[in-house]
Amino acid sequence: DAKTTQPTSMDCAEGRAANLPCNHSTISGNEYVYWYRQIHSQGPQYIIHGLKNNETNEMASLIITEDRKSSTLILPHATLRDTAVYYCIVRAQTGANNLFFGTGTRLTVIP
Amino acid sequence: KAGVTQTPRYLIKTRGQQVTLSCSPISGHRSVSWYQQTPGQGLQFLFEYFSETQRNKGNFPGRFSGRQFSNSRSEMNVSTLELGDSALYLCASSWEGHSTDTQYFGPGTRLTVL
Repeated sequence: DAKTTQPTSMDCAEGRAANLPCNHSTISGNEYVYWYRQIHSQGPQYIIHGLKNNETNEMASLIITEDRKSSTLILPHATLRDTAVYYCIVRAQTGANNLFFGTGTRLTVIP
Repeated sequence: KAGVTQTPRYLIKTRGQQVTLSCSPISGHRSVSWYQQTPGQGLQFLFEYFSETQRNKGNFPGRFSGRQFSNSRSEMNVSTLELGDSALYLCASSWEGHSTDTQYFGPGTRLTVL
């Protein structure tokens, strides 16, 4: 699985959009981009995933660049409950099922 | 639909003891994976079970073992506990365990080894 690079931490004002970047420059054509988040000492929560096209669900939007070397997770209206560590994971369509978690981005939503 | 459940949520053991943790996957999910999370090493994959068989294994010593029952529930066991085994142990389930299946995590079991 390709390696990902994320900023260590970010702040966002409550009510504003939180844009979390992820670099995955070595991603290959059959690899998906997954996002999970982990609120302190809880299990990781699945947010969204995508292959090429931008994706949106009730939680967030995922924007993947045309060359697929980077992506951005967007939380449209951040709330205090969105404070968490956000993990960007690149995952192949074939092979083992396990996820490789990096260090993620610690997002702090400020009142 | 109920999520992944793990029991117990908290556990305190002493060095040398053994421990068994339990995981019940989302109904219909047949793959169960286990992960260990520590402040120093982050989230690391332990092993995955599908149809009562271990299908994939991470880089952990043999003291860490697991099994899966016919109803897809899974247990993991750690024998001869060491201080470094103190961690949050997470279980995740998915439909068939294909690499395209989304994994859903439980709340974890916090193990403290004294």
